[in-house]
Amino acid sequence: KQEVTQIPAALSVPEGENLVLNCSFTDSAIYNLQWFRQDPGKGLTSLLLIQSSQREQTSGRLNASLDKSSGRSTLYIAASQPGDSATYLCAVLRDTDKLIFGTGTRLQVFP
Amino acid sequence: NAGVTQTPKFQVLKTGQSMTLQCAQDMNHNSMYWYRQDPGMGLRLIYYSASEGTTDKGEVPNGYNVSRLNKREFSLRLESAAPSQTSVYFCASSIQGLYNEQFFGPGTRLTVL
Repeated sequence: KQEVTQIPAALSVPEGENLVLNCSFTDSAIYNLQWFRQDPGKGLTSLLLIQSSQREQTSGRLNASLDKSSGRSTLYIAASQPGDSATYLCAVLRDTDKLIFGTGTRLQVFP
Repeated sequence: NAGVTQTPKFQVLKTGQSMTLQCAQDMNHNSMYWYRQDPGMGLRLIYYSASEGTTDKGEVPNGYNVSRLNKREFSLRLESAAPSQTSVYFCASSIQGLYNEQFFGPGTRLTVL
C-alpha cells in the first residue's frame, strides 16, 4: 500500500530564508508527483507537477525534485516571504486516477 | 473560467439527515473526484469518475453515493449522515491520462451533529 509522509509537520522561519520541504513515498511505481499549496479554509492550488520520467520542475522561486528510486521529493522555496505561509501538500499518482496525499507541512514565514 | 465550483460552502446536518454536495467544472475535463480532508489524515479519495457515465469507489466510499450527471457535474450524496462524516469535502477534476494534473474546488465544510 502506497504511503506518503511529509516531514516536518510544521516549520517556522524568518523571512528571506531558503527552505526545503520533504516528501517520501513507499512505492516507487508512480506516474507523477504533485505539490499543492493550501491556505487556511481554502482549497488546494497546484504548484508543480513532476512526471515520473522527470527529475525536477521549476516555477519562479519554487523548485521540486523527484528521486523515484529512493522514494523522495523535495520542494525548495527560495527567499521565503510571509505570503508563502500556508500548508504544503505532496501527492503521488498511483494508477492513472488515484492521488495519494501526504498530511502536509504547515509553513509560517515571519517578517 | 470559474474552474471547479462547489455548493454549498458550509452545511450543518443532524444525524440521519440527507444532503447532496454539488460540483461543476468548466475546463472540459474528463475525470472528476470527491475527497474528504480530516485533521491528521490528509485527503482521502471517496469516489471518482473517469468519464461521463462511469463511477468508481476510492479509499473511503462507505456512506456515500455519487452521480456523474454530465461531463461538467459530479454530485456526492450522503443518504443518512453520521457524525463520522463531519469533514471538509473537496471536488477535483483533471484531463485523464498520465499527466493528470488535478484542479480543486474551494471545498464544503460539513458538520454532522
